[in-house]
Amino acid sequence: EEHLVESGGGLVRPGGSLRLSCAASGFTVSGNYMSWVRQAPGKGLEWVSGIYNDGSTYYADFVKGRFTISRDKSKNTLYLQMNSLRPEDTAVYYCTRDSGFLYYYMDVWGKGTTVTVSS
Amino acid sequence: EIVMTQSPATLSLSPGERATLSCRASQSVSNNLAWFQQKPGQTPRLLIYGASTRATGVPARFSGSGSGTEFTLTISSLQSEDFAVYYCQQYNNWPPWTFGQGTKVEIK
Repeated sequence: EEHLVESGGGLVRPGGSLRLSCAASGFTVSGNYMSWVRQAPGKGLEWVSGIYNDGSTYYADFVKGRFTISRDKSKNTLYLQMNSLRPEDTAVYYCTRDSGFLYYYMDVWGKGTTVTVSS
Repeated sequence: EIVMTQSPATLSLSPGERATLSCRASQSVSNNLAWFQQKPGQTPRLLIYGASTRATGVPARFSGSGSGTEFTLTISSLQSEDFAVYYCQQYNNWPPWTFGQGTKVEIK
């Protein structure tokens, strides 16, 4: 069975950095399309970043230049390096596996890790 | 960026009733539309993809329809465990993948 487990969230001051991790089991991160999705307190879902199995990366405009998505094949883990954090980045961050052919939907979700940006 | 608009924001219904949730895309997304269910404090769960295909383990009372810009999620007879927030999401034009703002189905 496929599982994703996020970690690395916490409290950080504005301008600070965090690195989120997402460990996968039951499938390979490098063989799949993967995304990070976030949800601010009391708000809806918002796509943040994605990485294709060929290594191509994509970012939402509001994180471009600040966040970096990557993966480690040997650890079967997805990462999100978050720099220059802002209070509006406060959210639960979920990693997802994206399945399909040519068009990819998010079929496996982790339980999320909470990021709080506050002074 | 494609904007997804869901209606209504809140749906108040009784167990056993039929729920009809709408989702509209600002431009055609073909049938590349997914629906998610999220209960309080829980992770979103994929219900429907390809506008009408139920994900593994999803009960038959959930059905999706539509294509292009207009989509519907129908719950034929609400069970107690179905009261939740539902999100639609397009994955036709990316990046970014975009979600609707959600419809809350609450007990009347």
